[in-house]
Amino acid sequence: EDQVTQSPEALRLQEGESSSLNCSYTVSGLRGLFWYRQDPGKGPEFLFTLYSAGEEKEKERLKATLTKKESFLHITAPKPEDSATYLCAVQPNSGGSNYKLTFGKGTLLTVNP
Amino acid sequence: NAGVTQTPKFQVLKTGQSMTLQCAQDMNHNSMYWYRQDPGMGLRLIYYSASEGTTDKGEVPNGYNVSRLNKREFSLRLESAAPSQTSVYFCASSEAAALEAFFGQGTRLTVV
Repeated sequence: EDQVTQSPEALRLQEGESSSLNCSYTVSGLRGLFWYRQDPGKGPEFLFTLYSAGEEKEKERLKATLTKKESFLHITAPKPEDSATYLCAVQPNSGGSNYKLTFGKGTLLTVNP
Repeated sequence: NAGVTQTPKFQVLKTGQSMTLQCAQDMNHNSMYWYRQDPGMGLRLIYYSASEGTTDKGEVPNGYNVSRLNKREFSLRLESAAPSQTSVYFCASSEAAALEAFFGQGTRLTVV
């Protein structure tokens, strides 16, 4: 059974204080790892897809990296508008079932001004 | 550009009542999904549709039925609501199963 564990559950930062969120996973063959951002009362919003160990992707203050066991979402000099819940999901490389993403519980990030 | 639109946004049902959650996307996507999100748990897939007329069960399909009547619309039906179905429901769509998904705003359902 595929599993995704995100840590920490909650993280509070001061504006400008860089940090990282972790997503550890076990999957029977990884097709892709997704990062989403979710604001309160809204649906998740896509951020990144990573496909292979060593891959990195960046968007503004966010950088996602991938190893064979985990992914990190690095937040550099965060701003209050980066406050949200960040979700990680893995997609198995299993042919007809590759639509079955397994999501983690998320990390609630709060950035104080 | 509306993206993925869900209706209603809020609903309260009594145990045993039925209802249909509606979802429509205007991005010409082939794949559509229904998820539920509960406190302390990750998003869980209820049903998936790869194309018009096709559906597949996800992780938690019991108590739900779906219909993919055309490429745009994917509805979720609760035939006899139970308190365990109290949740926030999200519809999503993507060009294909392997690609990024776009989510609707969600439907907050309470079953009393």
